[in-house]
Formats: sequence, C-alpha cells, structure tokens
Amino acid sequence: RKEVEQDPGPFNVPEGATVAFNCTYSNSASQSFFWYRQDCRKEPKLLMSVYSSGNEDGRFTAQLNRASQYISLLIRDSKLSDSATYLCVTAGGYNKLIFGAGTRLAVHP
Amino acid sequence: NAGVTQTPKFQVLKTGQSMTLQCAQDMNHNSMYWYRQDPGMGLRLIYYSASEGTTDKGEVPNGYNVSRLNKREFSLRLESAAPSQTSVYFCASIMNTEAFFGQGTRLTVV
Repeated sequence: RKEVEQDPGPFNVPEGATVAFNCTYSNSASQSFFWYRQDCRKEPKLLMSVYSSGNEDGRFTAQLNRASQYISLLIRDSKLSDSATYLCVTAGGYNKLIFGAGTRLAVHP
Repeated sequence: NAGVTQTPKFQVLKTGQSMTLQCAQDMNHNSMYWYRQDPGMGLRLIYYSASEGTTDKGEVPNGYNVSRLNKREFSLRLESAAPSQTSVYFCASIMNTEAFFGQGTRLTVV
C-alpha cells in the first residue's frame, strides 16, 4: 500500500466549476502536510500547506483530518490556468517529504 | 537567484554506462534530496542528505550512489545504468519542509 494515496483522475471540469481532491495517508506519525502543483514536464512547486484548522488561499481551501488521516483540496471558480497535476505530500522526520502520485485536473472552456 | 540548478536536462545512456547527475543550490539549505518520478508512481525518494557530510537511503536507493560534496552540491551517480532507471530525476533543497526543485533530468537508458 502506498504511504500517500490519491485518485489519479483526470478530473475534467468546465471553467468556473468547483472541484475537490482527496488524499489519504497511512503514517500516523506524519507531522506536516502540503499540496504541491506540477505542470506538465515541469518541477513540482508548493501550492499551500495544510493545517488542522483548515486554511484558505484565495480560491483554494485545504483541510486536514488527522483522526481519519485524510487531506483535501477544494478549488473554487476553476480557471484554465489551474490545469495541472496536484500532489498530496506528507512530511516526517529529517524533512522527508512523501509524495502521492498526483491527481490530474483539466479545466476546459 | 538561481535556486536549485540541476544538470543535465536530458541524457540517453546505454545499458551499463555510468553517469553523474549534478545538483547545486544557492539558498544555504541544509537538506537536499534526490527523487525519481515515474508515470503513476509519483515522486519516490532515492537518497537524501540532512546536512553536509551525511547521506541516507530513501525508498529506492538500489543502483544509485550519492555524494554531498559541500553544503551547496549533492550529486547522484549511476554506476551501471539499467533500463529500469529510465525516469525523470529531480533534485530538491528543503527548508522548513518546503521543497524547492530543480528542473529535472530526463534520463533514458537503452
């Protein structure tokens, strides 16, 4: 079983739609959680950190449920430029980041 | 500010050849990492270096060696390349759990 599991998608949505991605992790000792964005044939880049209290950055909202070991990302009012792969990431000791395989989002006009 | 510089960007090797992937960061970070990314697998950790002078195995270290030459540089060596090592390789420098990646090396072993 992978340590971080994501639905690979693709999620095909029209512009303006709201879309949600989910992720589960198996290591209960994980200390930090993140969403990274990866454009096609590019390196991953940090989108946002995920806190237990939930956090929002513009159109993006991230939630963490430690009891269920579950992380989510909500994107409101999708833009064409949101098309990318979204990687769920956990971190433990020594800054070791564990990446999920990613969820692909395609936003169409 | 260059961030993380990774070379080469593309490489084709024959089975059994050796090569070294170079990585350098100018952000004065202690931690540096090498990942490989394969379709459907996500990024998998090969080796990491928590600080200058230390290196440790990650999830998929077999067939690779690393050198943390100094605080800036962390190289990955394939001693005898195999087709299973065909992948995209990313070097990352990490500070406070935020990872900054190089642009990647697309390696094909034929």
